[in-house]
Amino acid sequence: GAVVSQHPSWVICKSGTSVKIECRSLDFQATTMFWYRQFPKQSLMLMATSNEGSKATYEQGVEKDKFLINHASLTLSTLTVTSAHPEDSSFYICSATGPSEAFFGQGTRLTVV
Amino acid sequence: DAKTTQPPSMDCAEGRAANLPCNHSTISGNEYVYWYRQIHSQGPQYIIHGLKNNETNEMASLIITEDRKSSTLILPHATLRDTAVYYCIVRAANTGNQFYFGTGTSLTVIP
Repeated sequence: GAVVSQHPSWVICKSGTSVKIECRSLDFQATTMFWYRQFPKQSLMLMATSNEGSKATYEQGVEKDKFLINHASLTLSTLTVTSAHPEDSSFYICSATGPSEAFFGQGTRLTVV
Repeated sequence: DAKTTQPPSMDCAEGRAANLPCNHSTISGNEYVYWYRQIHSQGPQYIIHGLKNNETNEMASLIITEDRKSSTLILPHATLRDTAVYYCIVRAANTGNQFYFGTGTSLTVIP
């Protein structure tokens, strides 16, 4: 089946720095990708919809200037957490939608120290 | 926003069938029922989806009631590796539409 790959799988960064997470659709073109965040023992929360060649659409309450999304090609979307703080520590997951179902990446564990 | 209701947790004996219910009483005519599962610290894995007919694949069966207001995911012979959080999601079949996750059901398969 289709595969969505995220990189890195985990990252530790210092408070105040920025971190970029990549999401790639490996065997299909994705005009739309989605970014989720998941805190421990909670469900996935949709952060934004990444649209190829145009601006991302953010869910209510998600700071667009803090979570920068770029979808420059049909197979790559990136999420940059800018000026990270410890409260941004979370599990970030991307997905791309095929003809009928969504395929999810393996997730990126971000720890801000 | 999630439009489904699921029990927070369930146990199932290894080798027995696991029946996971989901209520989606406000489902629209063009919305499908999807099931995903998430094993700890991994991304969600697609299981099955359907519109109104019952569906079966190598992983599970999906039974949708005639009024489409509820459904049941059946894992016919649960194994320890089926321990995960199972999410029931309703979504219109359009690639631009988002998947909104509810709280899911934490299934524990007991040896």
